[in-house]
Amino acid sequence: GAGVSQSPSNKVTEKGKDVELRCDPISGHTALYWYRQSLGQGLEFLIYFQGNSAPDKSGLPSDRFSAERTGGSVSTLTIQRTQQEDSAVYLCASNGQGALNEQYFGPGTRLTVT
Amino acid sequence: SQQGEEDPQALSIQEGENATMNCSYKTSINNLQWYRQNSGRGLVHLILIRSNEREKHSGRLRVTLDTSKKSSSLLITASRAADTASYFCARIQGAQKLVFGQGTRLTINP
Repeated sequence: GAGVSQSPSNKVTEKGKDVELRCDPISGHTALYWYRQSLGQGLEFLIYFQGNSAPDKSGLPSDRFSAERTGGSVSTLTIQRTQQEDSAVYLCASNGQGALNEQYFGPGTRLTVT
Repeated sequence: SQQGEEDPQALSIQEGENATMNCSYKTSINNLQWYRQNSGRGLVHLILIRSNEREKHSGRLRVTLDTSKKSSSLLITASRAADTASYFCARIQGAQKLVFGQGTRLTINP
């Protein structure tokens, strides 16, 4: 079946512009995660959605970052007023069997802020 | 912040040899997971070992877990060129988020 998809695969934007990154989880998966991978910082958790519960936003690095998940499926990560340090690969993952099981990752969006 | 350490950071071996990567962590776990990443993009889940397990096998992969030492190892036997990738250990923290180690960059030389 279809895996997790993300779009765009690559995004180049100018400093100060807003960007939106999209994630389509595996159908039926109730949990959705966003991570960021940048040089020197490794893989960092950003935000977690589980069903209709309030999202865990504890990993968002600043108030310029926000995410929503509409209808319990597609999620959008928005970065406002992008900075060069936002350049990274943004990875989305979903999970349908609870926290103790593996997460399924999308191919990521490589964001470059110039 | 990262709460796992992996070593070595980079490993280069000849095809056919075995590759061993280690992971240490600082807090108690329910399980430890290993992921592979090719070309800096999506991660692929390899194997999950629960805290009450000591060893687990999947094909050419063998994972061990020593909760007393808070460490795990991933062994890839009879390595192939296609095994070239970065390997990460990860544990669940708090609200189901994965906390990753720094990763080991494995290169298999033909």
